[in-house]
Amino acid sequence: EPEVTQTPSHQVTQMGQEVILRCVPISNHLYFYWYRQILGQKVEFLVSFYNNEISEKSEIFDDQFSVERPDGSNFTLKIRSTKLEDSAMYFCATSQGEVTGELFFGEGSRLTVL
Amino acid sequence: GESVGLHLPTLSVQEGDNSIINCAYSNSASDYFIWYKQESGKGPQFIIDIRSNMDKRQGQRVTVLLNKTVKHLSLQIAATQPGDSAVYFCAEKKTGRRALTFGSGTRLQVQP
Repeated sequence: EPEVTQTPSHQVTQMGQEVILRCVPISNHLYFYWYRQILGQKVEFLVSFYNNEISEKSEIFDDQFSVERPDGSNFTLKIRSTKLEDSAMYFCATSQGEVTGELFFGEGSRLTVL
Repeated sequence: GESVGLHLPTLSVQEGDNSIINCAYSNSASDYFIWYKQESGKGPQFIIDIRSNMDKRQGQRVTVLLNKTVKHLSLQIAATQPGDSAVYFCAEKKTGRRALTFGSGTRLQVQP
């Protein structure tokens, strides 16, 4: 069964450092998303991406965050200068269409900011 | 404020019993309501969704009910199995948006 794959599974970084999280979407999916989940809390939307541009973003997704799909396969989330409160599990998700709420999530990348 | 929320943080059931997980919502401008399952250390997994103009939808061992009068959503799991133990999130997709808004989650514990 096709799946969304994410790397790294866990990254530890110092506050102020840049972090890049990577995602390989399911091959025929066109819509890509990043969500995050702070430990023990609910899943929160960050950004959606379609046709090589951001289609929607939340208030969490400020200027410190960026996304791109540089090589047509990897979909990346960059955090320019990490803060302690960026510590969370970051999930990439993809979908074939945009109508329903059926998303396919990866296993997540745990980010720990010290 | 949060527009999707869950009534109970933890639900414990006996194996073989039916489970009902509830969710309340406050925003009526939604296309779809969705249930996700999250096992420990994994990403959310889609279970079933229901369009906002429907009342009921059935899947394999699961049924979702939508009561728009009282703005209530429920997930029924028939013959609950140990593998159903997880956190269950309701979510909604608002009209014209791609983002899903998730609720707080209910932990389902299946006792053998």
